[in-house]
Amino acid sequence: RKEVEQDPGPFNVPEGATVAFNCTYSNSASQSFFWYRQDCRKEPKLLMSVYSSGNEDGRFTAQLNRASQYISLLIRDSKLSDSATYLCVVIETGTASKLTFGTGTRLQVTL
Amino acid sequence: SQTIHQWPATLVQPVGSPLSLECTVEGTSNPNLYWYRQAAGRGLQLLFYSVGIGQISSEVPQNLSASRPQDRQFILSSKKLLLSDSGFYLCAWSGSLGNSLNTEAFFGQGTRLTVV
Repeated sequence: RKEVEQDPGPFNVPEGATVAFNCTYSNSASQSFFWYRQDCRKEPKLLMSVYSSGNEDGRFTAQLNRASQYISLLIRDSKLSDSATYLCVVIETGTASKLTFGTGTRLQVTL
Repeated sequence: SQTIHQWPATLVQPVGSPLSLECTVEGTSNPNLYWYRQAAGRGLQLLFYSVGIGQISSEVPQNLSASRPQDRQFILSSKKLLLSDSGFYLCAWSGSLGNSLNTEAFFGQGTRLTVV
């Protein structure tokens, strides 16, 4: 089983739709979680951290479910500019700073 | 503020030639440093990471190597490139918060390597 897994998509949604991505992780000792956004042929950029209690940033909501070992990202009122690949990142306790990325979920928002 | 520099942005190299990609970080001390590779349409594969000078952890066996000669310098090398080494190489850094905690990672702009 991969350490961090995501549905590669693509998710094709109309503008204004709500879309959610999940990311599962295998190591229960994982301690820190992030969502990154990557545009085509560009480097990944931090979208938001994921806190245990869940957190929201505008149209984006991130949640952590430790019992089921997954994190989620919800995007409300999708915009054309949200089209990108969304990567989840997991940092495991005691592995000397190893950051593991999921393979990414591609989102395409259409008119 | 912290910045990360990675160069060159693009590189075309023949099979069998050597490789040296350099990454430097400014504005922070003792960063954790990473090299990732991303094949076309694929996810990020962690190649190497370093928590300090001369400390390199390798994630996958391959013909690449990494070195950290200075605190904020991370170098990716190969003696002889293979066609399969083509890809998008990304350097990243993260900060240490102690007790095995880390900040998020920040990426350089990447090097697009084509081996021909």
